[in-house]
Amino acid sequence: QKEVEQDPGPLSVPEGAIVSLNCTYSNSAFQYFMWYRQYSRKGPELLMYTYSSGNKEDGRFTAQVDKSSKYISLFIRDSQPSDSATYLCAMSASGGSYIPTFGRGTSLIVHP
Amino acid sequence: GAVVSQHPSRVICKSGTSVKIECRSLDFQATTMFWYRQFPKQSLMLMATSNEGSKATYEQGVEKDKFLINHASLTLSTLTVTSAHPEDSSFYICSARPGTGAGYGYTFGSGTRLTVV
Repeated sequence: QKEVEQDPGPLSVPEGAIVSLNCTYSNSAFQYFMWYRQYSRKGPELLMYTYSSGNKEDGRFTAQVDKSSKYISLFIRDSQPSDSATYLCAMSASGGSYIPTFGRGTSLIVHP
Repeated sequence: GAVVSQHPSRVICKSGTSVKIECRSLDFQATTMFWYRQFPKQSLMLMATSNEGSKATYEQGVEKDKFLINHASLTLSTLTVTSAHPEDSSFYICSARPGTGAGYGYTFGSGTRLTVV
């Protein structure tokens, strides 16, 4: 079992839909949770950074962490074609350099 | 915000030659930088941790003599792919943290697409 599991998709939705992206993990030491967006042939861009359980909202994006279930989610409201990208979850434990462990990414396609 | 600049964005080289990729932190100092490799539709694979003024730490299975890392200053790390072969063709990405505390995510460069022909 991989430390971080993420469905690669692709996930195709119409413009304006609410998108739900998810990851599960097995390492209970993970405390820091991140979502990155990666456009084709580009480096990942940090979208959300959360600590421990709970919700965090930033504009159209909401990140949720449920440590008891080892499950994290990213919700995108009012999705736009420009949101089409690969979304990678990442998580790290405390201490050291907080080196993240990445999921394989979910490809999202928002069609007009 | 924190910016990591990576060059070149794309390079094509002949088999057997060496290629150098630069990674710079533009508005912060980074004592540690990280080099990743990414295959199509795959996740980021950490190759090595680059430490300013000391030797890099390589992940298991990564050939340190093939992937030479130099972190000569607090804002620059380089990855040199030596004697490149077609199987080294991949997307290479560097990253760094703009702070040492817990509240910082990693900032990534824009990546380098290496094609060995």
